[in-house]
Amino acid sequence: EVQVVESGGALVEPGGSLRLSCVVSGFTFSEAGMNWVRQTPGKGLEWVGRIKSKRAGGTTDYAAPAKGRFSISRDDSQNTLYLQMNSLKTEDTAVYYCATSVPEGGYWGQGTLVTVSS
Amino acid sequence: ETVLTQSPGTLSLSPGERATLSCRASQSVSGNSLAWYQQKPGQAPRLLIYAASSRATGIPDRFSGSGSGADFTLTISRLEPEDFAVYFCQQYGRSLFFGGGTKVEIK
Repeated sequence: EVQVVESGGALVEPGGSLRLSCVVSGFTFSEAGMNWVRQTPGKGLEWVGRIKSKRAGGTTDYAAPAKGRFSISRDDSQNTLYLQMNSLKTEDTAVYYCATSVPEGGYWGQGTLVTVSS
Repeated sequence: ETVLTQSPGTLSLSPGERATLSCRASQSVSGNSLAWYQQKPGQAPRLLIYAASSRATGIPDRFSGSGSGADFTLTISRLEPEDFAVYFCQQYGRSLFFGGGTKVEIK
């Protein structure tokens, strides 16, 4: 059974930093492209960015709101995906999901809540 | 950037009825890379359909997807009690785009 578990969400002040983690089990993480997606009641679902598998180059792509502030990385030895978020803004408040790419089964976790507020 | 527009916003139906959900893209979806997900409160979204019309592993055959180009449809042939949820479409590829979702509620 595939399991995707995010953690690291918290309350943080504007301008602060936070690192989210996502641990995956039940499939070959090292061969999977992985995404971060966030969801808010007002804006719905929004793609944050993704990282390819190392075999596919290990490159990253980001949506415009995340460029220059967020960084995605992976540790294949630990089956873990990371999202480093810096210079956080109130509009980054959301539930953040880790999701495999659709060709790898489109598995999502239950999300972790990030609240940016003073 | 692709904008995905889902309609209707809410669908009120009874168990046993047929549900038809629409997802319209602002431009043609390359390779029909269109997926449908089901989301229930507090749960992880679940992939139902990928490549516009292929059912994901373990998805009952009452769920079907159709369409091509810029117009796609998710059909639930006979609603079961567990099917009342929010459904959203997703274009995938280099980046992901999402529709705003359709809530299927009990009438």
